[in-house]
Amino acid sequence: AQSVTQLGSHVSVSEGALVLLRCNYSSSVPPYLFWYVQYPNQGLQLLLKYTTGATLVKGINGFEAEFKKSETSFHLTKPSAHMSDAAEYFCAVSGKGGGSQGNLIFGKGTKLSVKP
Amino acid sequence: NAGVTQTPKFRILKIGQSMTLQCTQDMNHNYMYWYRQDPGMGLKLIYYSVGAGITDKGEVPNGYNVSRSTTEDFPLRLELAAPSQTSVYFCASSPGGNEQFFGPGTRLTVL
Repeated sequence: AQSVTQLGSHVSVSEGALVLLRCNYSSSVPPYLFWYVQYPNQGLQLLLKYTTGATLVKGINGFEAEFKKSETSFHLTKPSAHMSDAAEYFCAVSGKGGGSQGNLIFGKGTKLSVKP
Repeated sequence: NAGVTQTPKFRILKIGQSMTLQCTQDMNHNYMYWYRQDPGMGLKLIYYSVGAGITDKGEVPNGYNVSRSTTEDFPLRLELAAPSQTSVYFCASSPGGNEQFFGPGTRLTVL
């Protein structure tokens, strides 16, 4: 069975500092990996995804993530935090097939705070 | 395109009442999903559908029912509402079963 672990339910950084949100997954087969962002009182929006190919994936708003198979990790980074990055971030994994294999398994989320 | 729309945005129910949460997508996606989100727990899959006329249970289906008579609509029915169903409900759709597009959510309180 697949699972996702996000280390740290809350992360606080200063404006301009590096953002690092950690995600580790468990999967018996190479998965698809996703990062979603949720702003207060809104739905989830896709930040970036890894399916195949290049392991360093760039997303919207300056975020990127690197798929490391040996570490079963997919950590999210941004070189310089902005106040507008304050939100909750969810890592998710799915299989590569259709039907139930394509269902997303979500981590519990990491709430990012950005201090001025 | 409006994407995925959900109604209502908010609802308060009394214990034992029933209601239907509406979800519509205009992207002609075959796959649709219902999740519930509880604080600190991430999103849990309630039901999903891979096409009109086909539905299946997710991780937490008890107390809920769904139907999928058209590609566009995927309503979620709560029968005999219970306080444990107080949550935020999200509908999502997908063209191919992986990347999903989410609606704005319905915040439900059962008192």
